[in-house]
Order: sequence, then C-alpha cells, then structure tokens
Amino acid sequence: DVKVTQSSRYLVKRTGEKVFLECVQDMDHENMFWYRQDPGLGLRLIYFSYDVKMKEKGDIPEGYSVSREKKERFSLILESASTNQTSMYLCASNTYTDTQYFGPGTRLTVL
Amino acid sequence: EDKVVQSPLSLVVHEGDTVTLNCSYEVTNFRSLLWYKQEKKAPTFLFMLTSSGIEKKSGRLSSILDKKELFSILNITATQTGDSAIYLCAVAKTGTASKLTFGTGTRLQVTL
Repeated sequence: DVKVTQSSRYLVKRTGEKVFLECVQDMDHENMFWYRQDPGLGLRLIYFSYDVKMKEKGDIPEGYSVSREKKERFSLILESASTNQTSMYLCASNTYTDTQYFGPGTRLTVL
Repeated sequence: EDKVVQSPLSLVVHEGDTVTLNCSYEVTNFRSLLWYKQEKKAPTFLFMLTSSGIEKKSGRLSSILDKKELFSILNITATQTGDSAIYLCAVAKTGTASKLTFGTGTRLQVTL
C-alpha cells in the first residue's frame, strides 16, 4: 500500500513565523503535490514537483515556497505566516498514472 | 479557465436510500476524471474514468462518464452511515504531469 505521511496533524503558529510542513512518501513516486483545502473552495494546488529539485507553481503559489532535496520528501514553506493561510494542507504523490495518493493532512492555524 | 462543478453541495439521506452525485467539467485536453471519498482525513481514491459510457463498479458504488456531455455521476445504493463523507471529483488534462483540478465536493450525510 502507498503511504504518504505528513509531519503534523495539527499546528498552531503566530503571524510572521516561518512554517515548515513536511511530506514523505514511501513508493518511489516521481510527482508530489501540495494542496490547501478550504470550505467552499475545494482543493487548490499550491506547488508540485515532478523530480528532485524540480518544482512548478500551481494555482495559488503566493506566500509559499517548496523544497524537494530527496525523491521521497517534499516540504512546503510559509516564509512569513499570515492569518489567511489558516487552512488544511494536503500532500499527495503519484507516478505515471493520474491517481494521486494523499497524506492525512495538516490543519494549520495562524494566530 | 478549467472548471469542475459538483452538485449538490450537500445532501442528507436516510440509511438505505440511493444517492446520485454529479460532476460536470469544462477543461481543454481532457484525459481522465477521478472520484475520491474524504472522511476525517486523507481523500481516498474510488474510481478513475477515461472512456465514455463504461461503468466502473465497486460494491454499492458505481460511476460513469459522459465525454460528450462533459459530466460524470457517482451512484451509491443502499447507503450506510459509513458512506457519510465529502465526495470529491477531479479532472486530469493531457500534458500536465498528472495535475488534477478538483471540484468543491459534495458533503453526504447518511442518517439512521
């Protein structure tokens, strides 16, 4: 079974803090994705990566950056957290099919 | 702009009812449509559809795609309380490294 894990289930941070969300997959998948999920807006793609050190912006990259130094790990970075970044963050991965496998999510609250 | 629209937004049914969830899409270069179920945490994969008119089935769940009319339906028969979840529809396009565009989801609640 594919396993995608995320470093925290719940996280509370203060405005202006630098925040790291980590995602690890164990299936040697080439592609990894970061989404945020908000009520009424569904899942929106922030960034994705199709190989180590390769990244592309998704639909809402502003205020975020990513890092992929190893194939199994994809990190989402909030350089200076703001209250409008309070959300559920979901990581996913896949290989040569369209089916993405999701992690359990990190619910981030920025105060 | 690519668009995936799900309806209804939410639905409350009694156990044993049959429900139909809808997903319509407007995307260029369509490749596949996927359905996911999301309970308290990670969305879990249900179906991927690429060909029009071919039903995919898993137990009480089934789904079909109409590429001419640009929509898909997800049917759940004999609903159970364990079917309560958000059901997500997503579309993949050709040449986009497997990126998905998601609808906003349908929240289904099954009551006793």
